Amino acid sequence: AQSVAQPEDQVNVAEGNPLTVKCTYSVSGNPYLFWYVQYPNRGLQFLLKYITGDNLVKGSYGFEAEFNKSQTSFHLKKPSALVSDSALYFCAVRPKAAGNKLTFGGGTRVLVKP
Amino acid sequence: DSGVTQTPKHLITATGQRVTLRCSPRSGDLSVYWYQQSLDQGLQFLIQYYNGEERAKGNILERFSAQQFPDLHSELNLSSLELGDSALYFCASSPGTSGGGYNEQFFGPGTRLTVL
Repeated sequence: AQSVAQPEDQVNVAEGNPLTVKCTYSVSGNPYLFWYVQYPNRGLQFLLKYITGDNLVKGSYGFEAEFNKSQTSFHLKKPSALVSDSALYFCAVRPKAAGNKLTFGGGTRVLVKP
Repeated sequence: DSGVTQTPKHLITATGQRVTLRCSPRSGDLSVYWYQQSLDQGLQFLIQYYNGEERAKGNILERFSAQQFPDLHSELNLSSLELGDSALYFCASSPGTSGGGYNEQFFGPGTRLTVL
């Protein structure tokens, strides 16, 4: 069975500082990996995904993520955080061979302080 | 705006009752997914439909059922409601193939269900 771990319930960062949200996964075979963001009282919004190829993936709003196969990680990063980045972030995994079931991590709340 | 619509936004009902949540996918998307988000369980996949057929099942209770209609909208039916069913229910859609693969899902704004 596949699983996703986001080890930090909350990440606090000062505006302008780098932001990292951690994600590790467990899945058979090679996965597709996704990051979504959820703002208060809103649905999830897609940020970026890893399919294949370059391990560094660039997405919306200046976010990027690095796929590390040996560490089974897909950490989300932003070089300079904004107060408006404060939200709930979800990592998700889908095995390539197993159809469409997307498994989400527990979410990490990001608080960017001015 | 993701293009996925859900109605109603809020629903308050009593234990034992039955409710229906409605979802309209993005134009052209054939797959519809239902998720439940609660504080204790996180975001849980319930069920997926592709072009009218059930494609994948997750942690969906027997009291819950769903269907996708010929116009591709979907409904999630929740019956014999319990207090623990109170949650945010999301619908998502994605384009194309039944395998889905690497397509991202587009989420609706959700329906907040409160069972009293």
